[in-house]
Amino acid sequence: NAGVTQTPKFQVLKTGQSMTLQCAQDMNHEYMSWYRQDPGMGLRLIHYSVGAGITDQGEVPNGYNVSRSTTEDFPLRLLSAAPSQTSVYFCASSYLGVGTEAFFGQGTRLTVV
Amino acid sequence: GDSVTQMEGPVTLSEEACLTINCTYTATGYPSLFWYVQYPGEGLQLLLKATKADDKGSNKGFEATYRKETTSFHLEKGSVQVSDSAVYFCALSEDAGGTSYGKLTFGQGTILTVHP
Repeated sequence: NAGVTQTPKFQVLKTGQSMTLQCAQDMNHEYMSWYRQDPGMGLRLIHYSVGAGITDQGEVPNGYNVSRSTTEDFPLRLLSAAPSQTSVYFCASSYLGVGTEAFFGQGTRLTVV
Repeated sequence: GDSVTQMEGPVTLSEEACLTINCTYTATGYPSLFWYVQYPGEGLQLLLKATKADDKGSNKGFEATYRKETTSFHLEKGSVQVSDSAVYFCALSEDAGGTSYGKLTFGQGTILTVHP
């Protein structure tokens, strides 16, 4: 059982480039989300989805785009990378319900130069 | 909006010392409370949780009690080990129905280092 799989693990981008971070889960979870982790700030929610075809913005959505065409996949697109987007990105999934456990991928360390 | 505040870190302890990491929260409804742990180079994983007032979550010798009167969920362990060295995150999810399920609000994280 793979759980939540993120690719790539590391990425260096030049300012202005675009890229897609991939996230896939095999647990049939309805809820998927993307967070960014910055030192001293914990994890902040970028975008989330409660099912295929449904997405919504989190706390820090600017500069990012998402889509959810299947239950399994939830890619995060950086439209035009900026140095402020240098961070570690985590994808998570869970069932919908009270107090459900979120399962996290191993993260993508992104550096924008 | 919802918020979670953790004690300032990092925390450095000797093996077998007692650990307390403070966590307080602000929420408008009836949140579920969590502690997640992140080991070096890995993603976060659930350590323990509590879904209603006075519930105690426990796992791997760690405990935390949901205190609604003080809006707190402090993490405790009586005797830490070197293998407990990690980053600990307190978090809440506002379980008010609709799309709030699963949305986690995190504290800033506390780095714990345990020396032999």
